[in-house]
Amino acid sequence: AQSVTQLDSHVSVSEGTPVLLRCNYSSSYSPSLFWYVQHPNKGLQLLLKYTSAATLVKGINGFEAEFKKSETSFHLTKPSAHMSDAAEYFCVVSDPLWSGTYKYIFGTGTRLKVLA
Amino acid sequence: DVKVTQSSRYLVKRTGEKVFLECVQDMDHENMFWYRQDPGLGLRLIYFSYDVKMKEKGDIPEGYSVSREKKERFSLILESASTNQTSMYLCASSLGQGRVFFFGEGSRLTVL
Repeated sequence: AQSVTQLDSHVSVSEGTPVLLRCNYSSSYSPSLFWYVQHPNKGLQLLLKYTSAATLVKGINGFEAEFKKSETSFHLTKPSAHMSDAAEYFCVVSDPLWSGTYKYIFGTGTRLKVLA
Repeated sequence: DVKVTQSSRYLVKRTGEKVFLECVQDMDHENMFWYRQDPGLGLRLIYFSYDVKMKEKGDIPEGYSVSREKKERFSLILESASTNQTSMYLCASSLGQGRVFFFGEGSRLTVL
């Protein structure tokens, strides 16, 4: 069965410093992986996705993630945190269904706090 | 832009009441999903639908049912609400074999 593990439930960084949010996955085949962001009282917004093309994936708002098969990791990074980055971040793996569609399997989330 | 609309953002219900949560998407997506979000547990799949009138159980379907009479609308029903169903409920949609999901803003339900 596929799964994702977000290694930190909370991360605090100072504004202007790098962000690292860690995600490990478990999959019996080549997975599709995603990062979503959720601001307070909002729905989830796609940050970036990996679907077996380039291993370094660039997303919106300066975020990027690198797929490392040998480490089964898909960590999310940003060179310089901004106050507006404070939110909850979810790592997601898509799981194929018999109907030809996909369902998402979510990590438990990492809450990012950005200090002024 | 794809829009997924959950009409009720905040609801307060009493134990035993029947609750309807509505979700509408405007991009002709085949697939629709209901997730429940709880702190420390991430999002868990309740039900999904890959076509009109089709539904499949997710990981935590107990206490819930769904209805999809039209392609754009997917309803989550709590037949008899209980306090342990107090949660944030998120609806999502995706194309037939698409892997990108689009989410509504959520419906926060409190059951007293």
